[in-house]
Amino acid sequence: AQKITQTQPGMFVQEKEAVTLDCTYDTSDPSYGLFWYKQPSSGEMIFLIYQGSYDQQNATEGRYSLNFQKARKSANLVISASQLGDSAMYFCAMRANFGNEKLTFGTGTRLTIIP
Amino acid sequence: NAGVMQNPRHLVRRRGQEARLRCSPMKGHSHVYWYRQLPEEGLKFMVYLQKENIIDESGMPKERFSAEFPKEGPSILRIQQVVRGDSAAYFCASSRPRGQGIDEQYFGPGTRLTVT
Repeated sequence: AQKITQTQPGMFVQEKEAVTLDCTYDTSDPSYGLFWYKQPSSGEMIFLIYQGSYDQQNATEGRYSLNFQKARKSANLVISASQLGDSAMYFCAMRANFGNEKLTFGTGTRLTIIP
Repeated sequence: NAGVMQNPRHLVRRRGQEARLRCSPMKGHSHVYWYRQLPEEGLKFMVYLQKENIIDESGMPKERFSAEFPKEGPSILRIQQVVRGDSAAYFCASSRPRGQGIDEQYFGPGTRLTVT
């Protein structure tokens, strides 16, 4: 079974500052993928970034980077130079790479950017 | 290049009625997933389908819920005899077949079901 834990229900960050959203996971699968999604108030789910468990380098996508620490089973999302439009719910998710296709989601972190 | 389409976006049903939710995957995607999001919660997996096949329905309630993905047409999530507890956002996602890229799941805008 897979489990995702997001321990920060809500965060407030000043505009232009960097922010780290925490995510820890638990799985017995030897190969897996980690995902972050953004859900703005309009409700859609927007894919942000992906990290494979065997990737040697941390994933980056523009202002998003994933701080992957495999031994600690953590996959924190870092947003640099935050913007007002970053205010949203953020979900960490994982999926086994073989057989089991479903995504397992955490409970999310509500990020609010303060002007 | 249209994304994942879901309709209706909002659906209101009285208790006991049937709800039908439709999902058209992205072009080139043959895998469809349904998730449910209760208010203030994360998404929970319901079912995973490929064309004409249910691959994993481990997250589907045993009664009243069914899903299909026919050879032609959209995937359908059907909820019979809805109850107030079915009120939620239902998201469909699609992905490429394995081995064709990262195969991340792209989500549709969701259908917000309200049972009165």
